[in-house]
Amino acid sequence: GNSVTQMEGPVTLSEEAFLTINCTYTATGYPSLFWYVQYPGEGLQLLLKATKADDKGSNKGFEATYRKETTSFHLEKGSVQVSDSAVYFCALSDGAAGNKLTFGGGTRVLVKP
Amino acid sequence: DTAVSQTPKYLVTQMGNDKSIKCEQNLGHDTMYWYKQDSKKFLKIMFSYNNKELIINETVPNRFSPKSPDKAHLNLHINSLELGDSAVYFCASSPSVTGPIGYTFGSGTRLTVV
Repeated sequence: GNSVTQMEGPVTLSEEAFLTINCTYTATGYPSLFWYVQYPGEGLQLLLKATKADDKGSNKGFEATYRKETTSFHLEKGSVQVSDSAVYFCALSDGAAGNKLTFGGGTRVLVKP
Repeated sequence: DTAVSQTPKYLVTQMGNDKSIKCEQNLGHDTMYWYKQDSKKFLKIMFSYNNKELIINETVPNRFSPKSPDKAHLNLHINSLELGDSAVYFCASSPSVTGPIGYTFGSGTRLTVV
């Protein structure tokens, strides 16, 4: 079956530091890949997505590139802010009926001033 | 105007009780979902409905019964609550049941069974 593996957190950074969260996946076919962000006490929000190999998703300074050869979709941001403190989830959808999303375990990021 | 709204936000109840969580979306989406997030933040799909029709039932105990009276609503009823049911339950919706489409999530219902 499908699976998503993320680096375990928490990841603690200082403001303006570079952030990388690793994500690798196992799936049949050619899945679509997503990053979601969950701020404290809130639901998940779609951060970015990529639907085919070599696509780059980007939003709010975050980027991730769909790498089929390494089955990876690592999330990066060049200069984090305190407001980026949240839990980040990598997810995939293989396009099967039901549009089911398979999530990684989430990575908590804490940005300190 | 909230796109996907869930009620209640918090629910504390005793073992053995029956409870319901309601979800409504005003996005005009065809597909709705229930996900369970455990204490370690792990998210797992429970159900998916497309236009009131059940599409996914992910080996959830039959104490959990979803009901979709129309495509804008997907409620979750839980019978005989157990301690292990304590979790955050998220409702979500998407425009359709296929394609590389992300979800819009509600803000969650934190269920605590004591």
